[in-house]
Amino acid sequence: GQNIDQPTEMTATEGAIVQINCTYQTSGFNGLFWYQQHAGEAPTFLSYNVLDGLEEKGRFSSFLSRSKGYSYLLLKELQMKDSASYLCAVSGGGGNKLTFGTGTQLKVEL
Amino acid sequence: NAGVTQTPKFQVLKTGQSMTLQCAQDMNHEYMSWYRQDPGMGLRLIHYSVGAGITDQGEVPNGYNVSRSTTEDFPLRLLSAAPSQTSVYFCASSPTGRGANQPQHFGDGTRLSIL
Repeated sequence: GQNIDQPTEMTATEGAIVQINCTYQTSGFNGLFWYQQHAGEAPTFLSYNVLDGLEEKGRFSSFLSRSKGYSYLLLKELQMKDSASYLCAVSGGGGNKLTFGTGTQLKVEL
Repeated sequence: NAGVTQTPKFQVLKTGQSMTLQCAQDMNHEYMSWYRQDPGMGLRLIHYSVGAGITDQGEVPNGYNVSRSTTEDFPLRLLSAAPSQTSVYFCASSPTGRGANQPQHFGDGTRLSIL
């Protein structure tokens, strides 16, 4: 089975940097995804890690350590529009199945 | 390019009624899936399909049926609705690469209430 843990809520200041952690225990691992979900909307893809290390995409970066079962999403130069839920999801098993964490609700304040 | 289209967007049912949630994608994706999202529970996989004619169960399949007669469509059927099935339902699709992992594209969701 899969078990994914991430903090429930975080608060940060506009312009700052925030790191959202995700730990996982899985019976199979093919990669880790991060999705962003604004209230009342569908999740949208942010990043994907399959190998250890850092993947950078503009203001967003994601890190993976497979040996530690650990990932983080780093958001730089925070903007008010970054207030959303951030979902960590692990791909494992056949057929591209995803197991999602419960999400981290990020609130960006002035 | 419409992407993943779900209908209806909102629905209220009475306990015991049946209905079908529609999902269609125009990206020629092989993989399609249904999730439900409940407060504090995250997204949970109901059923998925890796191609036309092939379906399989996810984490929470009880009370739901699916079929995949075409690449484009993946309807989700509730045969006898129960209040526990009140949720937001998301359909998603992705290309299935051999050994690869592709981001899933989500529809806008169907908000379903069972009274």
